[in-house]
Amino acid sequence: GAVVSQHPSRVICKSGTSVKIECRSLDFQATTMFWYRQFPKQSLMLMATSNEGSKATYEQGVEKDKFLINHASLTLSTLTVTSAHPEDSSFYICSAKAGVETQYFGPGTRLLVL
Amino acid sequence: SQQGEEDPQALSIQEGENATMNCSYKTSINNLQWYRQNSGRGLVHLILIRSNEREKHSGRLRVTLDTSKKSSSLLITASRAADTASYFCATDATNTDKLIFGTGTRLQVFP
Repeated sequence: GAVVSQHPSRVICKSGTSVKIECRSLDFQATTMFWYRQFPKQSLMLMATSNEGSKATYEQGVEKDKFLINHASLTLSTLTVTSAHPEDSSFYICSAKAGVETQYFGPGTRLLVL
Repeated sequence: SQQGEEDPQALSIQEGENATMNCSYKTSINNLQWYRQNSGRGLVHLILIRSNEREKHSGRLRVTLDTSKKSSSLLITASRAADTASYFCATDATNTDKLIFGTGTRLQVFP
């Protein structure tokens, strides 16, 4: 099946720094990728939809200047958490759409901001 | 919020028993999908059921869909300790690429 990777799997950073998370579709081309965040014992909340070569579409309440998304190629999307604060600590998961229906999810990135 | 709801929130059973999880959603859909998530990991796609389907099977999984009630159920038969995980339904609303996830059911299967 389709494989999606994320890097890094875990990151610890100091408050005020920026963190970049990569999402790659390894064996297929994804015109659309999605970024979610998940707090402990909660469901996934969609943050933004990323289309290759165009600006991301952010969900209501998600600050686009805080969470920068770049979808530079058909296999790579990046999420940069700028000026991270402790409340940004969360599990960030990306997914990539292969074809019309199924989204394939990456293994997630756990971010801890001290 | 468009988020769907699942019940129960948590379910504990013995190995060999069946586990049933229910999902309700709010909008018209193209399809509904079920995913599994082990603690601290990504999501694994289990099964997709289209809006014109009523029931689908995959191994020990059985999914039903009732679009008139905007609800779906996931049945895991003959459960195993390895089935312990969180299970989420997700709907693919019409005219959108987005998946809207339910609140999830945490399943614990005791050996």
